[in-house]
Amino acid sequence: DVKVTQSSRYLVKRTGEKVFLECVQDMDHENMFWYRQDPGLGLRLIYFSYDVKMKEKGDIPEGYSVSREKKERFSLILESASTNQTSMYLCASSLRDSSYNEQFFGPGTRLTVL
Amino acid sequence: AQSVAQPEDQVNVAEGNPLTVKCTYSVSGNPYLFWYVQYPNRGLQFLLKYITGDNLVKGSYGFEAEFNKSQTSFHLKKPSALVSDSALYFCAVRDGRRGSTLGRLYFGRGTQLTVWP
Repeated sequence: DVKVTQSSRYLVKRTGEKVFLECVQDMDHENMFWYRQDPGLGLRLIYFSYDVKMKEKGDIPEGYSVSREKKERFSLILESASTNQTSMYLCASSLRDSSYNEQFFGPGTRLTVL
Repeated sequence: AQSVAQPEDQVNVAEGNPLTVKCTYSVSGNPYLFWYVQYPNRGLQFLLKYITGDNLVKGSYGFEAEFNKSQTSFHLKKPSALVSDSALYFCAVRDGRRGSTLGRLYFGRGTQLTVWP
């Protein structure tokens, strides 16, 4: 069974803290994605990666950075958390060069920044 | 630019009745279309996809979707709704052009489906 796991289901942090969200997939997928989900706004892409050490900005990269040192792991970093980054964060992965590349999602991390 | 519209924020239907969740898209090249479902406090689960071929696509849990190229639509349907179908549904499109950006999907804002007993 395919699996995408995220390090925390719920996280509470204080303004200004550095926050790490970890995502691991066991499907040997090349592509990995970080989204945030807010009510009424759907899923918005923050960053994605198509290979180790490669990254591309999505639609809302400001205030975020990412790291992909190993193929199976994609980390999202909030350098200095702010209250407007309170959200649900979803990680996903997919095969790279396939017409059938639906994305597989993790369970999500609900982050609250106080 | 690639985009997806889900014109209804909410759809309410009685159990046993047919349901439709609407989706229209805009994309350069041939579209690859997807439907996902999200249950409360969970990630998204893949339901079905259209890549090419038959315009009626069957997926998980009895759902199907109809691709209509002239209307640029990909509506999700089920002949008989269940209370357990109540969830948030997302439509997504991928640009089918060669070399398009790495399998990136563009998602709609989601439609909350509520099935009443």
